Amino acid sequence: DQQVKQNSPSLSVQEGRISILNCDYTNSMFDYFLWYKKYPAEGPTFLISISSIKDKNEDGRFTVFLNKSAKHLSLHIVPSQPGDSAVYFCAASAGNNNDMRFGAGTRLTVKP
Amino acid sequence: NAGVTQTPKFRVLKTGQSMTLLCAQDMNHEYMYWYRQDPGMGLRLIHYSVGEGTTAKGEVPDGYNVSRLKKQNFLLGLESAAPSQTSVYFCASSPQGWTETQYFGPGTRLLVL
Repeated sequence: DQQVKQNSPSLSVQEGRISILNCDYTNSMFDYFLWYKKYPAEGPTFLISISSIKDKNEDGRFTVFLNKSAKHLSLHIVPSQPGDSAVYFCAASAGNNNDMRFGAGTRLTVKP
Repeated sequence: NAGVTQTPKFRVLKTGQSMTLLCAQDMNHEYMYWYRQDPGMGLRLIHYSVGEGTTAKGEVPDGYNVSRLKKQNFLLGLESAAPSQTSVYFCASSPQGWTETQYFGPGTRLLVL
């Protein structure tokens, strides 16, 4: 069963606009959430994370929002740049359960 | 620092053949992980290790074995490869625990015919 879902396989935005990537989860035991970015032929690299005790975390152009009641998180990129074009994976862990689950990824294309 | 490296980068196997994928990290991390990535499935955890000499099963362990004889190395073995094991395999490491950033290797593309 897919406990972490990214329902949009792809997203295309114009340079300078906002990119919003969404992620839903089903396991209420998840208490830590991460976003990873992946370029072709490379391994994923960490982007930003959020603990379940927070509802927002910001790092430069990247902000992650967590809505625990809806079991939903989103990644906002403002402003979007062509170099942001990549596949973005949402991941969730339940620390005490020694487990990490990833979503299927969303391919973001930022057009100049 | 090389970070996390994986060997080989690409391999073609015939059904029934065996092989070992090597992962090495030079960051002195305690935790190491093996994932597979398949289209539409994201990354799925195969096995992981919380320290030298320890291993544990992840979400999809069947058909794979692992060993962590040295802290810096984590080996993934396929004893009898099957076409269903065609995938891209990623190794990762983290300093301690599941709430820390994982550092990934570049991946190994495996094709089983």
